Amino acid sequence: DTGVSQNPRHKITKRGQNVTFRCDPISEHNRLYWYRQTLGQGPEFLTYFQNEAQLEKSRLLSDRFSAERPKGSFSTLEIQRTEQGDSAMYLCASSLESGLAGGGEQFFGPGTRLTVL
Amino acid sequence: TQLLEQSPQFLSIQEGENLTVYCNSSSVFSSLQWYRQEPGEGPVLLVTVVTGGEVKKLKRLTFQFGDARKDSSLHITAAQPGDTGLYLCAGDEYTGNQFYFGTGTSLTVIP
Repeated sequence: DTGVSQNPRHKITKRGQNVTFRCDPISEHNRLYWYRQTLGQGPEFLTYFQNEAQLEKSRLLSDRFSAERPKGSFSTLEIQRTEQGDSAMYLCASSLESGLAGGGEQFFGPGTRLTVL
Repeated sequence: TQLLEQSPQFLSIQEGENLTVYCNSSSVFSSLQWYRQEPGEGPVLLVTVVTGGEVKKLKRLTFQFGDARKDSSLHITAAQPGDTGLYLCAGDEYTGNQFYFGTGTSLTVIP
């Protein structure tokens, strides 16, 4: 299966700890997105990369959040000094930017569910 | 702030009934997508519409993109229990840099 994969699938941590999530996109996709989703709501955009460049960050993303995509392949999302409000599903998606309007269809991973105690 | 509002937020119907989910915005989108998401999984793409007024059919599902490219609807005919899930619309503005998801419609089809 060559879909988007995310690790870990579940993470439980104590408030104040740092956590890091990994996303492996579909290999030929040049765009990679991170979203956060709370129960029963639609995903909220956090940030996206085109190749290794981080092109946009949501204003919702506090300084405690940082994302990298060092070689334009996999990406990591780190949350420092976690708070209970960070508890959510963190979704990764990838797409192939074709130069046309729309940025290509996004394919989502299964998500990492974070619980901050 | 979510640019796309979906209605209804929750929908519970009997198997065999028809339903329509609406996705509305004051913004214009270059394309709009519909996803279905099951608990504990990521959203799965159902369809992409790119032309104002476009209608696409996928078996019992009919998707329409508004003429002004600000709204869309999803109509399901003869709903089945397997249609149960969270339906999400999503669109990108002409910059193509950020993708906005709707507020979601949670559908339950009762056998």
